[in-house]
Amino acid sequence: AQSVTQLGSHVSVSEGALVLLRCNYSSSVPPYLFWYVQYPNQGLQLLLKYTSAATLVKGINGFEAEFKKSETSFHLTKPSAHMSDAAEYFCALNQAGTALIFGKGTTLSVSS
Amino acid sequence: DVKVTQSSRYLVKRTGEKVFLECVQDMDHENMFWYRQDPGLGLRLIYFSYDVKMKEKGDIPEGYSVSREKKERFSLILESASTNQTSMYLCASSSLGTSGANTGELFFGEGSRLTVL
Repeated sequence: AQSVTQLGSHVSVSEGALVLLRCNYSSSVPPYLFWYVQYPNQGLQLLLKYTSAATLVKGINGFEAEFKKSETSFHLTKPSAHMSDAAEYFCALNQAGTALIFGKGTTLSVSS
Repeated sequence: DVKVTQSSRYLVKRTGEKVFLECVQDMDHENMFWYRQDPGLGLRLIYFSYDVKMKEKGDIPEGYSVSREKKERFSLILESASTNQTSMYLCASSSLGTSGANTGELFFGEGSRLTVL
């Protein structure tokens, strides 16, 4: 069965520090992988997606993620956190071209 | 700009009431979805539809039904609301299949926060 595991329900960083949000997946077929961000009381917005074209994927707002097949991981990073990055982040995997399977989410807090 | 619109951002209903949550998309997408979001549980799929008048159960369909009479509109129905259905409900849409440039990316509405008293 396909699944997504996000390690750490809550991550706290200081402004300017590296952001690392972890995501591991399980899939019997090559997956499409996604990171979404959700700001308070809003819907989900796509940050970036892996489509097998390149293992290092760049997204919006300075975020990037690297697909590592050997580690079944798709961790999200940003070199320098900004206060506006505080939000909830979801990793997701495509299931047979229809519904996405989501991880439980990681809340990112950024302190000044 | 592509858009998924959920008719109500905030609703308060009484136990036993029938509740309709409406969702409209303007992207001519074949697939539409209803997810439920709860703290610590992430997003859980309630129902999805890949065509007009077609529907498929997701992971947690109990207590819910859906209607898709037109391609752009997907409604979630709570026949008799209960307090454990207090939650954030998210509607999404996507293009059919994953071929070519289509990766199955979902486009989300702003969400409908339902409180059942």
